[in-house]
This record gives sequence, structure tokens and C-alpha cells, in this order.
Amino acid sequence: SAVISQKPSRDICQRGTSLTIQCQVDSQVTMMFWYRQQPGQSLTLIATANQGSEATYESGFVIDKFPISRPNLTFSTLTVSNMSPEDSSIYLCSERTSDGGETQYFGPGTRLLVL
Amino acid sequence: QKEVEQDPGPLSVPEGAIVSLNCTYSNSAFQYFMWYRQYSRKGPELLMYTYSSGNKEDGRFTAQVDKSSKYISLFIRDSQPSDSATYLCAMSRGGSYIPTFGRGTSLIVHP
Repeated sequence: SAVISQKPSRDICQRGTSLTIQCQVDSQVTMMFWYRQQPGQSLTLIATANQGSEATYESGFVIDKFPISRPNLTFSTLTVSNMSPEDSSIYLCSERTSDGGETQYFGPGTRLLVL
Repeated sequence: QKEVEQDPGPLSVPEGAIVSLNCTYSNSAFQYFMWYRQYSRKGPELLMYTYSSGNKEDGRFTAQVDKSSKYISLFIRDSQPSDSATYLCAMSRGGSYIPTFGRGTSLIVHP
């Protein structure tokens, strides 16, 4: 599996501000995803980051709130915009194996606290 | 009813015990079944991956899938304090479908 890193690992932000999370993979991958993990909850898929085109968002998530970029096959960013305390969560970047396997691998996560 | 149900625990066991972690699901189209381990302040790490029904063993870990009952299990033998983590089940229809995750079960193995 590819090695995935995320920056920042954690942050504390004020409401109304925005934070951009970076995800770097050490090899080219076909599919990259962004998840949110709230305490006691399952992983919730925010969107699929498509290389060279607009991200595909899941129900309940919109581009204005969570703009995503994917300029190449190894890098993606997720921005959490106009933050409120409800956005406090762990945000995880994930990749799907390029060999068409069914498994996904995750980065270490970004822990966000919004005050 | 959620597609995947998993008891959040916590499950507390003594060192050396056999641990059984379980998930039930409602979608009969699921074909691929996975277990992830997530340590505190870390991302989920793929532990076991099984296709369709049957058992798969890897060291102290055994994954079991019973598609007729829509029930999957992860067994940990000779549990160690280092096994203390949250275990998430995940399952997928395959192809372009994204896996559906359970809530995770918190496991505590005390010395």
C-alpha cells in the first residue's frame, strides 16, 4: 500500500475561519477520498477527489463548505470553510489501491477543534 | 436500520483472552469484508480482508464471514495489551462502490 501523510496533524481554529488540510501519497494512486470521523461515529465519506476534475460529493456535503483540489495523482487538499464548532472532527485522507483492489488505506488524520 | 451495525463497546478483557468482535449488515450485495484497527490518535490500519464467505487466518487474527446470516467476526487469540484499539468493520459491493464502515468497537486488553 502507499504511504499517506497529512498536514497539519491537528489544529485549533476560531469559528468563521477556514483550514486547508493537505494529503500527500508517496506513489500515484487512482482514487483518493476524504472522510470525517466524529467521536463514536463511523467514518463518513465527504467526497471522492478526482484528478483533473471536480470532486464528487456525498449527500450532505457541498463544495462551498468543503472545496477539494487534486492537481495530480499524489496530492489532494480539503478545505473546511467558514468553520463552526460542529466541524470539530477528525478528517482522514484515504486512497484506494491502484491495482483495482477493494481495500482502502488511510492517512493518520487531522484533528480539528473549532472554538 | 443502518446498513452496518457494530457494538461500540467498550469491551474489556484480560491479557491472554480470546476476543470476538462482530458486525451485522443488511445489504446482501456486500462481497468484500474488511477489518481495520485504529489506535488512539492514528488513522485506521487495514488488518484483515476477506472476499465472500469463509474464514481467513493471519497470526493471532481470524476473520470469519457468514453471508447467510449477514454476520462477520474478528477473533483475536492470546490478546495482548498492544491490541487495545478501536476495531472497525467495513464492507463493500466491489467495483466502484465505496466501503461502508461500522462505528467501531473499542477494545481494552488489561494486563
